[in-house]
Amino acid sequence: AQKITQTQPGMFVQEKEAVTLDCTYDTSDPSYGLFWYKQPSSGEMIFLIYQGSYDQQNATEGRYSLNFQKARKSANLVISASQLGDSAMYFCAMREGPDNDMRFGAGTRLTVKP
Amino acid sequence: DAGVTQSPTHLIKTRGQQVTLRCSPISGHKSVSWYQQVLGQGPQFIFQYYEKEERGRGNFPDRFSARQFPNYSSELNVNALLLGDSALYLCASSSNPGATNEKLLFGSGTQLSVL
Repeated sequence: AQKITQTQPGMFVQEKEAVTLDCTYDTSDPSYGLFWYKQPSSGEMIFLIYQGSYDQQNATEGRYSLNFQKARKSANLVISASQLGDSAMYFCAMREGPDNDMRFGAGTRLTVKP
Repeated sequence: DAGVTQSPTHLIKTRGQQVTLRCSPISGHKSVSWYQQVLGQGPQFIFQYYEKEERGRGNFPDRFSARQFPNYSSELNVNALLLGDSALYLCASSSNPGATNEKLLFGSGTQLSVL
């Protein structure tokens, strides 16, 4: 069964505007970690942000924030003030408890328009 | 400090051949993970090594094998290549393997094409 679902294959946003990339997950483990990665055309996966299942506050890293809704099992990435360099594939990932591998969603391609 | 380095960047092989991909982790990181990313999909876990021992294996056939050396660099070997092995192979290193918040830091990958 798919553990991580990203329902938006592609998204467009105007430069300087904010955009939300959706991610839902499925787990029965009370302890898990959620991650977002950016993959430009160069291929490297760049770590953006992390949210632990027990964290009380939503994670933020510069222009990136994670809208964590535990009851809905969603972990949406919000990018504020989009820049042309934000155009890339974005992957949501989850690790269920310790000693488990990280599983990725299918990704969302974000295009920032000038 | 150098990030995760992978070699080669691109590789073309024919069906039935064998291939070896190489990875050097970030200095100080003792864990290396390998992922396969088929075009249009997210990465899929192949192996994780820590202190030269395998600590995790994904759902891949025995044609896939790996090892980690005393300097923590790693090799991924794939035997009897199939067309379906064509993919971007990503290596990642981490400093806290096994933790729920283990952050993987990735290299730029090796693009393997099997003809």
